[in-house]
Amino acid sequence: LAKTTQPISMDSYEGQEVNITCSHNNIATNDYITWYQQFPSQGPRFIIQGYKTKVTNEVASLFIPADRKSSTLSLPRVSLSDTAVYYCLVGDIYQTGANNLFFGTGTRLTVIP
Amino acid sequence: NAGVTQTPKFQVLKTGQSMTLQCAQDMNHNSMYWYRQDPGMGLRLIYYSASEGTTDKGEVPNGYNVSRLNKREFSLRLESAAPSQTSVYFCASSEIPGREQYFGPGTRLTVT
Repeated sequence: LAKTTQPISMDSYEGQEVNITCSHNNIATNDYITWYQQFPSQGPRFIIQGYKTKVTNEVASLFIPADRKSSTLSLPRVSLSDTAVYYCLVGDIYQTGANNLFFGTGTRLTVIP
Repeated sequence: NAGVTQTPKFQVLKTGQSMTLQCAQDMNHNSMYWYRQDPGMGLRLIYYSASEGTTDKGEVPNGYNVSRLNKREFSLRLESAAPSQTSVYFCASSEIPGREQYFGPGTRLTVT
């Protein structure tokens, strides 16, 4: 079962690059890695998803090493509006079923002016 | 285009009462999900539906039942509410199973 571990909190100054790492030592062959952002009193919002190596979109990059036992979400030049909780999700519901889809406990990112 | 909608937004129940949480999506997605989020915690999957008429248990299914009424709607029922079910419930949908999920605004449920 690919349970995940993330730092509880991080602080960063505006304009800096932020890297949040998620550990998933028991990741299965078919599992994808997905990151979500959640603001207070809202549902999570999809940021990025990957399987291996590096994925980049307009808001973030996702780095996955060859052994896939961890992943790093990179947010370039954060702003105050990036203050939120970031969750890593590992699993492949299609291949291994709904009882193998796990959200991490989340990393609370605070961006400081 | 409303995305994923959930009703009600807030609900207070007494122990032993029953209720149904409603969820609907207008994105023509096949996959739908119910999660619960306890204070300061991550989300835990309660049930998943890959398509109309199919459901699968997630990490924490005990005390809940679900119905995939049609492609749009996925309801979650608490037959006999317990204080341990006090939580925020999120519904989500995705085009591909387990991939990019779109979440609703949540239902905040308190059981006294």
